[in-house]
Amino acid sequence: EAQVTQNPRYLITVTGKKLTVTCSQNMNHEYMSWYRQDPGLGLRQIYYSMNVEVTDKGDVPEGYKVSRKEKRNFPLILESPSPNQTSLYFCASSSQQTGGAGYGYTFGSGTRLTVV
Amino acid sequence: SQQGEEDPQALSIQEGENATMNCSYKTSINNLQWYRQNSGRGLVHLILIRSNEREKHSGRLRVTLDTSKKSSSLLITASRAADTASYFCATAGNTPLVFGKGTRLSVIA
Repeated sequence: EAQVTQNPRYLITVTGKKLTVTCSQNMNHEYMSWYRQDPGLGLRQIYYSMNVEVTDKGDVPEGYKVSRKEKRNFPLILESPSPNQTSLYFCASSSQQTGGAGYGYTFGSGTRLTVV
Repeated sequence: SQQGEEDPQALSIQEGENATMNCSYKTSINNLQWYRQNSGRGLVHLILIRSNEREKHSGRLRVTLDTSKKSSSLLITASRAADTASYFCATAGNTPLVFGKGTRLSVIA
């Protein structure tokens, strides 16, 4: 089944403790992206990647890191989490950066992160 | 850089009625997409309309696009309780997809 898999689904952590949220897709998509969703603010893009070893900042990259060493994986790293990073996080992928040809994004099921 | 803005923010209708949601955006686009999100779950792609298209159908969904007014609408006909969800428009230009804040649709049985 074509899908984007995020882990974990739920995570409670303490301020300053490094964590990684994994994202993997099995559709051979070039494009992958991370979003966070907060009440009243909608979805905001954190980082995206057009292909292996190519990453770029989105609208809210502060406090986050990503890497794209393999096409299928795009982990999100919080080096020193803070309470304002408490949010619902989504990973998404697409066969190409949505633009001229136009393809929809496939989303993961989300990771609800709480930083205390 | 939020571009799409949905209207209304929330909509409550009876089962069997039609639901219409609107999306306005600011800059030129290549295509516009609509997504659905059930509470706390991942977004699901519903339909994509290209900038040279004016109307598109998919099952009970009808999407229109007016590039001169920079607006789009999503119509769900004969709504069902299972249609209860949040609906987002997303615009695609030369930058990654940008999502609006969504319309929360409640369909009452």
